[in-house]
Amino acid sequence: GENVEQHPSTLSVQEGDSAVIKCTYSDSASNYFPWYKQELGKGPQLIIDIRSNVGEKKDQRIAVTLNKTAKHFSLHITETQPEDSAVYFCAASRSNNFNKFYFGSGTKLNVKP
Amino acid sequence: DSGVTQTPKHLITATGQRVTLRCSPRSGDLSVYWYQQSLDQGLQFLIQYYNGEERAKGNILERFSAQQFPDLHSELNLSSLELGDSALYFCASSATSEGEQFFGPGTRLTVL
Repeated sequence: GENVEQHPSTLSVQEGDSAVIKCTYSDSASNYFPWYKQELGKGPQLIIDIRSNVGEKKDQRIAVTLNKTAKHFSLHITETQPEDSAVYFCAASRSNNFNKFYFGSGTKLNVKP
Repeated sequence: DSGVTQTPKHLITATGQRVTLRCSPRSGDLSVYWYQQSLDQGLQFLIQYYNGEERAKGNILERFSAQQFPDLHSELNLSSLELGDSALYFCASSATSEGEQFFGPGTRLTVL
């Protein structure tokens, strides 16, 4: 099955700096890559996603890039704010596999004011 | 608020017992997914239902079972509980059998 690896496991940045979280996947048939943010005591919330037919997607301060050849994708957060502090999960799935998501192990992001 | 509801929020029980976790998907969503989140395992996919039928199975133990009812709510049954079953259990829903999944707030299960 699919194997998703996520790095780093923890990331500490100063407010206003950028943060980058990277994930690699093993199944070349994976074609949907969502990113979730999980705040303490809450369920994961989708923040951005990308499909395999595009290389980059941006939504305000958040962007995701996908390199299908290398089988890796990254989350970029610019101008970080304290409220960005949370655990971020990447996931991979393929649409012909009934939407089974394979999650990375998570990155705990701490934005210091 | 994702629109997915889960009850109860917390559950404390003893080893060997059986519990039922309940999930109501977002209005209009036909697909329900169950995930287990423990400290050392991250988010693990357990099982998916679509419009009442089982669609995909992940790392779900034989002691665990689930179903989706005609009104589309779902229940996850955990039996012969062990200490290692202590975890957060999340339900997610989506409109179809693929694409964006919306997660509920989770049920924290503690097995003593």
